[in-house]
Parts: sequence; C-alpha cells; structure tokens
Amino acid sequence: KQEVTQIPAALSVPEGENLVLNCSFTDSAIYNLQWFRQDPGKGLTSLLLIQSSQREQTSGRLNASLDKSSGRSTLYIAASQPGDSATYLCAVRPIGTGGFKTIFGAGTRLFVKA
Amino acid sequence: DAGVIQSPRHEVTEMGQEVTLRCKPISGHNSLFWYRQTMMRGLELLIYFNNNVPIDDSGMPEDRFSAKMPNASFSTLKIQPSEPRDSAVYFCASGTSGVEQYFGPGTRLTVT
Repeated sequence: KQEVTQIPAALSVPEGENLVLNCSFTDSAIYNLQWFRQDPGKGLTSLLLIQSSQREQTSGRLNASLDKSSGRSTLYIAASQPGDSATYLCAVRPIGTGGFKTIFGAGTRLFVKA
Repeated sequence: DAGVIQSPRHEVTEMGQEVTLRCKPISGHNSLFWYRQTMMRGLELLIYFNNNVPIDDSGMPEDRFSAKMPNASFSTLKIQPSEPRDSAVYFCASGTSGVEQYFGPGTRLTVT
C-alpha cells in the first residue's frame, strides 16, 4: 500500500532563507509526483508536477526533484518570503490505477517570518 | 477559465438531514475527484470519475455517501443522512489522465 510521508510537519524560518521540504513514498511504481500549496481556508494550488521519467522541475524560486528509486522528492524554495507561508503537500499517482488515484502526504506547514 | 466551481461554499445542517454538494469541473477535463479534508485524517480521496464513469469509490466512507456525474460538466456528492463526524471540507478537483489536478475552493460542511 502506497504511503506518503512529509517531513518536517511544520517549519518556521526567517525571510530570505533557502529551505527544503521533504517527501517520501513507499512504492516507487508511480506515474508522477505533484507538489501543491494550500493557504488557510483555501483549496490546493498545483505548484510543480514531475513525471516518473523526470528528475526535476523548476518554476521561479521553486525547484522540485524526484528520486523514484529511493522514493524521495524535495521541494526547494529559494529566498523565502512571508507570502510563501502556507501548507505544502506532495502527492503521488500510483501505477495500476490508470493514473487517476492520488495519495497525499499530510503536508508541511511553513511560516516565513518577516 | 473560471476554474473548478463548487457550491455551496459553506453548509451548516442538522444531523439527519440530507446534504448535496455540487461541482462543475474545468471544461475539457475528463477526470473528476471528490476529496475530504479533516485535521485528523488529512486529505482523503473519496471517489473519482473518468469520462463521467465512477472508477473507484473505495474511499467513500459508507453507504450514506453517494456521488453522481450525469454529464461532463456537473457532479454531486450527497450525504444522507448526515452525521456530525461528516463535518469537514470537501474538495472537488478535475484533470486529465496523468496530468495535473486542479482543485476547487472547497465546501466547508458543519453538521450539528
């Protein structure tokens, strides 16, 4: 059974710091891995999608990597800003479900202090 | 595009009442997902549809929950009868196979 774990559960950093959020999954048979951001009381916003054949994706100050063989992904945020404060969730799509089913981690709650 | 649209945004009801949540996916998307989010259990997939057909409803907690997708532009999640433990935020998301999912703003359900 696929399980997704995110470490740390919460993180508080000063503005301007570079930071790394971690995601691990138990079964490497996945179609893709996706990172989301969720603001309090809001829905999820997709940040980056990495297909299983890819190693990383970048968007602005965000960089996500995928090491499928070890079951790990990292989300790197450069030069953090108070506006980055949110909960970050990673999710995988296991092979064998037609690419539909998605398993989410519990998220990392990030607070960037001004 | 307006994105995924959900209604109502907030629903407060009494135990035993029927609750119907609505979702309009993004035009052109062929997959639709219903999720439930609580502090205790996080984000749980309840059911998903592909081309309007339910593919996997194993996440539906019990027979009180049912979901339909009568056409490509509309889906409902119904709870009958509702119970206090059903209180949560319910999200609808749409996408295409193997590609990103786009989430709606959610419906916050409170059952008293």
